[in-house]
Amino acid sequence: AQTVTQSQPEMSVQEAETVTLSCTYDTSESDYYLFWYKQPPSRQMILVIRQEAYKQQNATENRFSVNFQKAAKSFSLKISDSQLGDAAMYFCAYRSPAGSYQLTFGKGTKLSVIP
Amino acid sequence: NAGVTQTPKFRVLKTGQSMTLLCAQDMNHEYMYWYRQDPGMGLRLIHYSVGEGTTAKGEVPDGYNVSRLKKQNFLLGLESAAPSQTSVYFCASRPWGGTYEQYFGPGTRLTVT
Repeated sequence: AQTVTQSQPEMSVQEAETVTLSCTYDTSESDYYLFWYKQPPSRQMILVIRQEAYKQQNATENRFSVNFQKAAKSFSLKISDSQLGDAAMYFCAYRSPAGSYQLTFGKGTKLSVIP
Repeated sequence: NAGVTQTPKFRVLKTGQSMTLLCAQDMNHEYMYWYRQDPGMGLRLIHYSVGEGTTAKGEVPDGYNVSRLKKQNFLLGLESAAPSQTSVYFCASRPWGGTYEQYFGPGTRLTVT
């Protein structure tokens, strides 16, 4: 079974600074998808960024980028120029290309942004 | 488009009572999912459906039942609620293929006393 580990329960960052959230996963598959979801206090789950394992290029979405290290099974999220609105829970998720098609989530990292 | 909606948003039950949570999506998605979120646990899959009339168990299915009689609706039932089912419940949906992104509803906070 796949597992997803987020080793940082909480992190903080100064406004306008850069922060990196870590995620590691365990899988025996070679083709899969990885996601970062944001959950603000409103509770709504919002997709931040996705990465396909067969693509070597790291995904980027505006201020959000990932460092995908397939051999190390690592998928970290970098937030540049942090803003107050970035304060939220962040969940890393793994999606197998076969089987039940479910997402396996990590336990989350709570990010605080300090003005 | 309303996206994924969940009814109700909040509910308090007494132990042993039953209830049904409704998830509706207007995006014509084939796949639908029910997750529960507990503090420090992330989201865990309860049941899912790959199409109208089909359902399957996820990681934590005990104490729950589901039905997908219509493509746009996915119901989660608790026949005899227990305090251990106090949680926030999320519904999600996604289409065939594509980027495999799941679209989430706003969640239902359920308290069982």
